[in-house]
Amino acid sequence: EAGVTQFPSHSVIEKGQTVTLRCDPISGHDNLYWYRRVMGKEIKFLLHFVKESKQDESGMPNNRFLAERTGGTYSTLKVQPAELEDSGVYFCASSQDRVMGRGYTFGSGTRLTVV
Amino acid sequence: EDKVVQSPLSLVVHEGDTVTLNCSYEVTNFRSLLWYKQEKKAPTFLFMLTSSGIEKKSGRLSSILDKKELFSILNITATQTGDSAVYLCAVSGGGADGLTFGKGTHLIIQP
Repeated sequence: EAGVTQFPSHSVIEKGQTVTLRCDPISGHDNLYWYRRVMGKEIKFLLHFVKESKQDESGMPNNRFLAERTGGTYSTLKVQPAELEDSGVYFCASSQDRVMGRGYTFGSGTRLTVV
Repeated sequence: EDKVVQSPLSLVVHEGDTVTLNCSYEVTNFRSLLWYKQEKKAPTFLFMLTSSGIEKKSGRLSSILDKKELFSILNITATQTGDSAVYLCAVSGGGADGLTFGKGTHLIIQP
């Protein structure tokens, strides 16, 4: 079974530019979550999709962040315009149901550096 | 605000030693506590604990939860260099759908 795939692995952009991160969940997983780890801090929840619907976006930092999951398959997270404080590692996770545990699988993350 | 605190933040020991990693939490409507191991990239699942006093074991790793005192420990016996990683504690519950993480314990096992 293929795992959760994130693209790119690493992105370096200038302040003010736009970046789009992509997450491909495990096939058949309806639940998709985005998290972010800023240097020196803990991993923080951003938002949760069930299929194509946003169930909880309480962790999104501000309106420069836009997440989509058209068709309920892969998801994108766009940052526009990027600021220096957006630098960090963005993780995606997926699960078949909402119960946490072994089936809640993380991707390897996208490291975003804003310069 | 929901909070997970791990200690120590960093730990260096020699192969063969036993280590205990700590995790305390404050969360409303607690559902479960999870431990993950993060080596280079993706956090990988170790344990999920929902009930107090029941030890979960997997080889040299074991974990237990105390819901009265709001903490969990992760024990690793007879450590090996392959155990070197960041160990993350996370809690499910609270107002948001996602997990609340601690900062992690960076464990280094020296040969």
